[in-house]
Amino acid sequence: GAGVSQSPRYKVAKRGQDVALRCDPISGHVSLFWYQQALGQGPEFLTYFQNEAQLDKSGLPSDRFFAERPEGSVSTLKIQRTQQEDSAVYLCASSLEIGNIQYFGAGTRLSVL
Amino acid sequence: GESVGLHLPTLSVQEGDNSIINCAYSNSASDYFIWYKQESGKGPRFIIDIRSNMDKRQGQRVTVLLNKTVKHLSLQIAATQPGDSAVYFCAEGEIGGGGADGLTFGKGTHLIIQP
Repeated sequence: GAGVSQSPRYKVAKRGQDVALRCDPISGHVSLFWYQQALGQGPEFLTYFQNEAQLDKSGLPSDRFFAERPEGSVSTLKIQRTQQEDSAVYLCASSLEIGNIQYFGAGTRLSVL
Repeated sequence: GESVGLHLPTLSVQEGDNSIINCAYSNSASDYFIWYKQESGKGPRFIIDIRSNMDKRQGQRVTVLLNKTVKHLSLQIAATQPGDSAVYFCAEGEIGGGGADGLTFGKGTHLIIQP
């Protein structure tokens, strides 16, 4: 079946611009996670949803980062007033429920100029 | 803060040989451990996982060993193939409750298969 889908695959933004990154999880998966992966590093946890509820946002680096999952399926990660240090690959993962295997999408590579 | 780390950033092995990738973790509350494989331009792909109530788990050509006494995790890949070339990450989590819901990843080991 279809895996986790993320769009766009690549995004170039000018510093100060707002961006929105989309994640379509695997159908039926309750849990959804966002991670940030800097070049040459492992993914770092940003936030977690169970259905539409955002249960953990401890990894969001600043209040410029905002995530939502209003209907418990598709999720959007929004970054306001992008800075150069926001340049990274943003990965979305979903799992059937918490504690199950997390399946990752291909990520969105964000470059802030 | 507590973190997951790897001993070797790059591992080069001959095709057909066995590979062992090591990982040290420091969060004693972690009860779930996973190995992911990541190829260039792709997201991490699940390889194998193990819970803290086990010390060994086998999959197809892969074995994960967990030593809770010294907080060490390893991934063994048998008869490595060119397609095994990738970056391998270990990750830890707390399923037992009370901990963060996301996974904590190590920096990764780049496995290179020599022909």
